[in-house]
Amino acid sequence: DSGVTQTPKHLITATGQRVTLRCSPRSGDLSVYWYQQSLDQGLQFLIQYYNGEERAKGNILERFSAQQFPDLHSELNLSSLELGDSALYFCASSGGLGGKYNEQFFGPGTRLTVL
Amino acid sequence: KNEVEQSPQNLTAQEGEFITINCSYSVEISALHWLQQHPGGGIVSLFMLSSGKKKHGRLIATINIQEKHSSLHITASHPRDSAVYICAVTDFGNEKLTFGTGTRLTIIP
Repeated sequence: DSGVTQTPKHLITATGQRVTLRCSPRSGDLSVYWYQQSLDQGLQFLIQYYNGEERAKGNILERFSAQQFPDLHSELNLSSLELGDSALYFCASSGGLGGKYNEQFFGPGTRLTVL
Repeated sequence: KNEVEQSPQNLTAQEGEFITINCSYSVEISALHWLQQHPGGGIVSLFMLSSGKKKHGRLIATINIQEKHSSLHITASHPRDSAVYICAVTDFGNEKLTFGTGTRLTIIP
């Protein structure tokens, strides 16, 4: 158990809908990262938050947004869902700014299926 | 060309064999990570290293910074080692992970 929790585990929804994925980092970790794993693209970085502030952005679509709350949990909002958004969404956390001294710990993931 | 390349893509071996998975990268990095993903989907961090060698049980990870290359070795492989092994790097000045495509390892009893 990494100490990172994600809810829900599974989500099935229809095209055009909006969903929210939730992540609670390990106790004391300030950084939260969101990653998407799809069959055709593999694992890709979406966005990072550090202590409530957006720190880095990757291949995140404009239909997707995220935030980190004062209690350090994070939410990833996906809207106007398309079939291609079906994927595993992972959250990871680390203790500081990441990089050399901070290992990332992964949550169990949320499997999103868009029908 | 991907920033992180892994080989082989698939590897099948008999129980007890010594396993090597390779990772090459093309950018300057602050750290390299080896991750394990089991069929259920969860990802476990095995190693994070920026130089030299690390060992944990039957797993050994090495990195050669000059050659931009890392290897993951598994000694006395066991069917429970069957999983996808993913190499990822953290660039300098950047905390995000960039991933290789993974190596699917199957150990046959």
